[in-house]
Amino acid sequence: QSVLTQPPSVSAAPGQKVTISCSGSSSNIGNNYISWYQHLPGTAPKLLIYDDDKRPSGIPDRFSGSKSGTSATLGITGLQTGDEADYYCGTWDTSLIAVVFGGGTKLTVL
Amino acid sequence: QLQLQESGPGLVKPSETLSLTCTVSGGSISSRSYYWACIRQPPGKGLEWIGSISYSGSTFYNPSLKSRVTISVDSSKNQFSLKLHSVTAADTAVYYCARPIAAPRHDAFDLWGQGTMVTVFS
Repeated sequence: QSVLTQPPSVSAAPGQKVTISCSGSSSNIGNNYISWYQHLPGTAPKLLIYDDDKRPSGIPDRFSGSKSGTSATLGITGLQTGDEADYYCGTWDTSLIAVVFGGGTKLTVL
Repeated sequence: QLQLQESGPGLVKPSETLSLTCTVSGGSISSRSYYWACIRQPPGKGLEWIGSISYSGSTFYNPSLKSRVTISVDSSKNQFSLKLHSVTAADTAVYYCARPIAAPRHDAFDLWGQGTMVTVFS
């Protein structure tokens, strides 16, 4: 059971937009920055979003992040087949004194 | 360009100790106060943070693994190492080394090793 809650799967058609939610509590998302990762099979996870809504260099603006209270959302527009991957949210938990991740969301581009 | 490379045994027997080494290349492990992390992903499951260490040896561990984990750093070799004691089949996973995007934070990992599969197998 993950500290952060994500939907197991989402799907959308190429070119469309999808959102992935991440729910937590005041000890994690509510008072700390959230990050989002893309994980393709057989590769290392890639940081897509950090500090709630910032993109590292090289990440296209099709990827966006937002946060409200104890929940965060990753948005992906202009979906491509190459976006099919597992997506994880992560943050610091002040009560656990630990990094915590969501259980992951599998994105299918139909 | 800074890179991380994991090296591990591949197979470990139940009840024994899993040892993993992360080598930093293209830069110094001692530059800035980064917290270097060990993260794993069991087959079919999500990411799990194991713990982090600074170049000076300050450590933070996942509470669920704390009793079995030791992470150490060897600045002279530009390496940090994970030891996970008393392993079981549940410790079978791909093990990653990672570094946060900025020092001295613990999260937002923008640099990862390629990962190494460790199987607990009798």
